[in-house]
Amino acid sequence: DQQVKQNSPSLSVQEGRISILNCDYTNSMFDYFLWYKKYPAEGPTFLISISSIKDKNEDGRFTVFLNKSAKHLSLHIVPSQPGDSAVYFCAALRSGSEKLVFGKGTKLTVNP
Amino acid sequence: DTGVSQDPRHKITKRGQNVTFRCDPISEHNRLYWYRQTLGQGPEFLTYFQNEAQLEKSRLLSDRFSAERPKGSFSTLEIQRTEQGDSAMYLCASSFLQGSGEKLFFGSGTQLSVL
Repeated sequence: DQQVKQNSPSLSVQEGRISILNCDYTNSMFDYFLWYKKYPAEGPTFLISISSIKDKNEDGRFTVFLNKSAKHLSLHIVPSQPGDSAVYFCAALRSGSEKLVFGKGTKLTVNP
Repeated sequence: DTGVSQDPRHKITKRGQNVTFRCDPISEHNRLYWYRQTLGQGPEFLTYFQNEAQLEKSRLLSDRFSAERPKGSFSTLEIQRTEQGDSAMYLCASSFLQGSGEKLFFGSGTQLSVL
């Protein structure tokens, strides 16, 4: 039972355009959401996060949107750059727990 | 470099053998986590330590798995009587803050292949 779902295994966009990565979750107890980026042969690195009390968080080219009623979040990258090519994992955390629950990831390819 | 260090990077073993992995966290971090990632999946939580105390274990951590963190510094993850289904990337992470996943720093992982 996947509590965090990333239904698109891959996404390809042109350099300079917007990349939108989607994530759905089923557990209403999750109250903190994160995006991690992973390059081959490296561990995941934190990208951006959002608390359930907010609906948007922005950090430079990266913006995360949260729709609690739909149990959906998305990561927007604008403008996309070739160096953004990586696997992006959505993850969720429940208050009081140390257990991050990850989705399966979406492989983003940004073409020059 | 003072990041999370994992050793070895790769391990190939035969079914039934025991293997042990080591993780050296960032020195001032008191929390240490083990995750496992199989092909096409995201990382799955295995266990975590606060200092030397193992505070949470996943159901994924069968009796063949044991993790230790003596003296609250480095950690080892041992798998006894390995099975082909144990083949995965084993990721270690450390943090200083409680309950804030963005403060997790991951190592590059140990890739285990069980033949």
